[in-house]
Amino acid sequence: DIQMTQSPSSLPASLGDRVTITCRASQDIGNYLRWFQQKPGKSPRLMIYGATNLAAGVPSRFSGSRSGSDYSLTISSLESEDMADYYCLQSKESPFTFGAGTKLELK
Amino acid sequence: QVQLQQSGAELAKPGSSVKISCKASGYTFTSYYISWIKQTTGQGLEYIGYINTGSGGTNYNEKFKGKATLTVDKSSSTAFMQLSSLTPDDSAVYYCAKAGFAYWGQGTLVTVSS
Repeated sequence: DIQMTQSPSSLPASLGDRVTITCRASQDIGNYLRWFQQKPGKSPRLMIYGATNLAAGVPSRFSGSRSGSDYSLTISSLESEDMADYYCLQSKESPFTFGAGTKLELK
Repeated sequence: QVQLQQSGAELAKPGSSVKISCKASGYTFTSYYISWIKQTTGQGLEYIGYINTGSGGTNYNEKFKGKATLTVDKSSSTAFMQLSSLTPDDSAVYYCAKAGFAYWGQGTLVTVSS
């Protein structure tokens, strides 16, 4: 199975900060990478697909990028509503696999 | 609008089975796969597998073969997942999601306890 190594597991940050979360794929997944946001008691929400494409309705402060096997989700200026858990998902090869998650919290 | 409505929480005894439903609306059900995902506090999100809602063909994560069985009822636009031989490790929230993962059900909590 393809392993997705996500870091950091926890990210304390302040409002207005620029923050970045990264997933590293254990083998080539091309751009078959999605990012999700999940708030307590809610279903995951698709934020980024195809590694760099913003999903419908997602604020433009969110962006996705790729450098080789490293995939990043960046929030350019953190807002209070962004405090949540974030997960990556590779869908290049079955079984699809998720990163372990990053808890974004206020410093 | 696209909606996936899952069945309610289940409390089951070890060794028993449960069947969770995911009723789709707002789109052509048979045109898009339905995936199932398990979420636990300790293991995060795990991909169980998907079902081709048109043909009924399935693809399972090896880890869940023998544990999960995915089916569909095209007449009611509903996907099902049966979990068998339940153990406490199967206690989790289970989600269905439409192909592309832009739409998810609200989740079904399964608790396995004697």
